[in-house]
Amino acid sequence: GQQLNQSPQSMFIQEGEDVSMNCTSSSIFNTWLWYKQEPGEGPVLLIALYKAGELTSNGRLTAQFGITRKDSFLNISASIPSDVGIYFCAGPPIDYGGATNKLIFGTGTLLAVQP
Amino acid sequence: NAGVMQNPRHLVRRRGQEARLRCSPMKGHSHVYWYRQLPEEGLKFMVYLQKENIIDESGMPKERFSAEFPKEGPSILRIQQVVRGDSAAYFCASSPNRWVDDTEAFFGQGTRLTVV
Repeated sequence: GQQLNQSPQSMFIQEGEDVSMNCTSSSIFNTWLWYKQEPGEGPVLLIALYKAGELTSNGRLTAQFGITRKDSFLNISASIPSDVGIYFCAGPPIDYGGATNKLIFGTGTLLAVQP
Repeated sequence: NAGVMQNPRHLVRRRGQEARLRCSPMKGHSHVYWYRQLPEEGLKFMVYLQKENIIDESGMPKERFSAEFPKEGPSILRIQQVVRGDSAAYFCASSPNRWVDDTEAFFGQGTRLTVV
C-alpha cells in the first residue's frame, strides 16, 4: 500500500531557529495535509494542500505540494517553545480520488524547541 | 480538536476483557472515523461510519474489533478479548459531511488503552 516517509525523525533546535521537514512517497498523492500532535492530544490540522506546486502559509508555517505529487515540505520560521510536538503529513489513498475520508499518515517528525 | 468528545481518556483492561471506547462527534457532524496510533507511530485508519451505517471498515482487524454509530448516542469502538498488542491510542474524528476537499475533520483527544 501507499506509504509516507517523513524526515527527519526528530529535531532539537533553539528558540528562534527556522525548521524544515519533509514527507515523501513512492506513489502519487492528490492532497497533502500537515498535522501537529501535542502530547496527550489528538492531531490538529495545520495546512491543507490540494494542487501540485501549491505553496500555502499559515502564520509562521509554510507548506508546499511538490510538483511530482510525491512529496511535500513544511517550514516553521522563528520557532517558539509552543511549537513542540509531533508533525505528521497525511493524505488520502490514490484510489479515493480527492476525498479525504480515509487518510494515510506519515511516520512523524518530533520537534523539540529549547528556550 | 475542541468538540469531539472521547471517553474514557485512559482505559486499563486485563487480557481477555472487553474494551468499549466512545466518541461523541461535534454537533452537526454525522460522519465519524476511528484511527489507531501505536507507540511512536503515525495514525492508522480503522473505520468510517455514518449514522447507522459502516461505510468503510477496511482498516479494522478481522476479529475481535467492531464499531457502530447508532441513530442516537455516541459511536462505539468495541474490542473483545483484548490482548497486549491492542494497547494503543485510539482517536476518533468527525466531519459534517463526507471528508472532501476543504472540509476539515476534527480529532478528539483520544482514548489510551493499556492491556495488562
